[in-house]
Amino acid sequence: DAMVIQNPRYQVTQFGKPVTLSCSQTLNHNVMYWYQQKSSQAPKLLFHYYDKDFNNEADTPDNFQSRRPNTSFCFLDIRSPGLGDAAMYLCATSRDGRTRSFGSGTRLTVV
Amino acid sequence: AQTVTQSQPEMSVQEAETVTLSCTYDTSESDYYLFWYKQPPSRQMILVIRQEAYKQQNATENRFSVNFQKAAKSFSLKISDSQLGDAAMYFCAYRSANAGNMLTFGGGTRLMVKP
Repeated sequence: DAMVIQNPRYQVTQFGKPVTLSCSQTLNHNVMYWYQQKSSQAPKLLFHYYDKDFNNEADTPDNFQSRRPNTSFCFLDIRSPGLGDAAMYLCATSRDGRTRSFGSGTRLTVV
Repeated sequence: AQTVTQSQPEMSVQEAETVTLSCTYDTSESDYYLFWYKQPPSRQMILVIRQEAYKQQNATENRFSVNFQKAAKSFSLKISDSQLGDAAMYFCAYRSANAGNMLTFGGGTRLMVKP
């Protein structure tokens, strides 16, 4: 059974139209992460929540925001998607920063 | 800052043969963890194997084993009896035991398995 669930698997959005990607987990992990992965590249950390504390990576564009309303859910909001934001977005969780459990990802297409 | 380098963008192996994927890293820390993740075409990142730096014994998980050389900062993955299902991107990753949260990935190696 999937423990880190990302919906949808594929998302198509229009250039400049806000889009939200969702992640939920059944592991009760206190840390949740969002990664961006472009084709044939390593995942790049955008930000993470350690419990309720939000930690943004220095080079994450302002266009990317995140919300974590409770332990189980975390959302990635892209306010004005550009063509360069087309990528796979991976959600991951961990207990206190230990081994990550990854979701299957959401592939975002910007048209 | 830590860096992780995978010098082989692509590797190919014949089914049932053995293949070794290379990984080197750079760190000034003495306590850390190293990982190999597999990412098949379905794209879910799966943990293959993990090594604690303080352990001298190389980690093994069924057909997967590592050659951890701490002094050389090398962490290679050996896949024995390769199967078609092993075809995937493989990422080597480093995590400090102290900082807790940062997971530094290498650039990945695409493994192809020939029938």
